[in-house]
Amino acid sequence: KAGVTQTPRYLIKTRGQQVTLSCSPISGHRSVSWYQQTPGQGLQFLFEYFSETQRNKGNFPGRFSGRQFSNSRSEMNVSTLELGDSALYLCASSREGGAEAFFGQGTRLTVV
Amino acid sequence: AQSVTQLGSHVSVSEGALVLLRCNYSSSVPPYLFWYVQYPNQGLQLLLKYTSAATLVKGINGFEAEFKKSETSFHLTKPSAHMSDAAEYFCAVSEGRGGFKTIFGAGTRLFVKA
Repeated sequence: KAGVTQTPRYLIKTRGQQVTLSCSPISGHRSVSWYQQTPGQGLQFLFEYFSETQRNKGNFPGRFSGRQFSNSRSEMNVSTLELGDSALYLCASSREGGAEAFFGQGTRLTVV
Repeated sequence: AQSVTQLGSHVSVSEGALVLLRCNYSSSVPPYLFWYVQYPNQGLQLLLKYTSAATLVKGINGFEAEFKKSETSFHLTKPSAHMSDAAEYFCAVSEGRGGFKTIFGAGTRLFVKA
């Protein structure tokens, strides 16, 4: 069974640009969550989608947005990139009724 | 509101020694608790989880954790450290099933000395 797949693995963007990250959950998992990991702030919850609806949201500015498609794949978008957005972005999927999240390997975003 | 506190950002042990990583949580409802491990430039791998069944939970790679409600703790232990255990460990709490909002501790980096 394939795990959570995140693409791309590495990304370099310039300040002011926008970026889209992709996450394919484990087959059958309908919940997808996104996290930002930085050395200073640790792992911070961005948002969670279930059946194409945002079900939970963390405390991030509106520049961070996401969506989920009917096949449960999810994308995360960050507009007007700032240097502080440089981070490892992790996606996790969960099955309905499951307790734990399964993580992808992450996308390392560097903003220059 | 949920929160997780991991005591000690860095822990160093000798190979073969006991590993003890501490985690305290706060939750307004009976929580689901997890320990994850992260190797450099990798995602998080689930070590073990507590979901209100047995209070002593056994996980992968010889790790186990004990849920103590009276102490609001969920400490992670391993009797004998191995060099391959060197990584960062995260304690996490969730108040819902599925992909609900899971809150992570700040992490504890484990160093294993030969």
